[in-house]
Amino acid sequence: QQQVKQSPQSLIVQKGGISIINCAYENTAFDYFPWYQQFPGKGPALLIAIRPDVSEKKEGRFTISFNKSAKQFSLHIMDSQPGDSATYFCAAIYQGGKLIFGQGTELSVKP
Amino acid sequence: GAVVSQHPSWVICKSGTSVKIECRSLDFQATTMFWYRQFPKQSLMLMATSNEGSKATYEQGVEKDKFLINHASLTLSTLTVTSAHPEDSSFYICSARDRVGGRTQYFGPGTRLTVL
Repeated sequence: QQQVKQSPQSLIVQKGGISIINCAYENTAFDYFPWYQQFPGKGPALLIAIRPDVSEKKEGRFTISFNKSAKQFSLHIMDSQPGDSATYFCAAIYQGGKLIFGQGTELSVKP
Repeated sequence: GAVVSQHPSWVICKSGTSVKIECRSLDFQATTMFWYRQFPKQSLMLMATSNEGSKATYEQGVEKDKFLINHASLTLSTLTVTSAHPEDSSFYICSARDRVGGRTQYFGPGTRLTVL
């Protein structure tokens, strides 16, 4: 119930392509879904976040799509660049609860 | 934006010694701070939650006598790894929440601990 399942585990995309990472959850009490970007040897950095009353949120090249009925959400990275190569974590949380992370996706953008 | 710092960024110590890691919120007051541990190619594992002025809450399986957490002020939390052993070698990351009831956690840059 507390799990957030993330896929794929790794992803290789050509420069300029679209990177898509998917997450699914079970606990309907989750009310906030952030995405974090982590470079090797660094802490995770908040990338973008969404609440379940919104179906899509876009910030620059990053878009979160949210499907409340399916309990799924995804991160789309448009025009992927080599500098986007990092590990991406989806997460979920509810008030008073803990931040639950997905397993992570290692993205490699090839020039 | 909210900035969280950690010190040191890396530390190497001998087995049996204690190591203290500091976590500071630089531009906001953090009523709650969190300590995570991350092994290579894995997700973050929550170790404990610390609230300013009260005892930390540890996750199941985390030894509170080994991982001492102090949250003495609204901007500083410390994690002390006591009598460190090679199996304690890991990447330790703290995070802070900027307000009561808030959802967003801001993470520090992490501390790489190597125990010889």
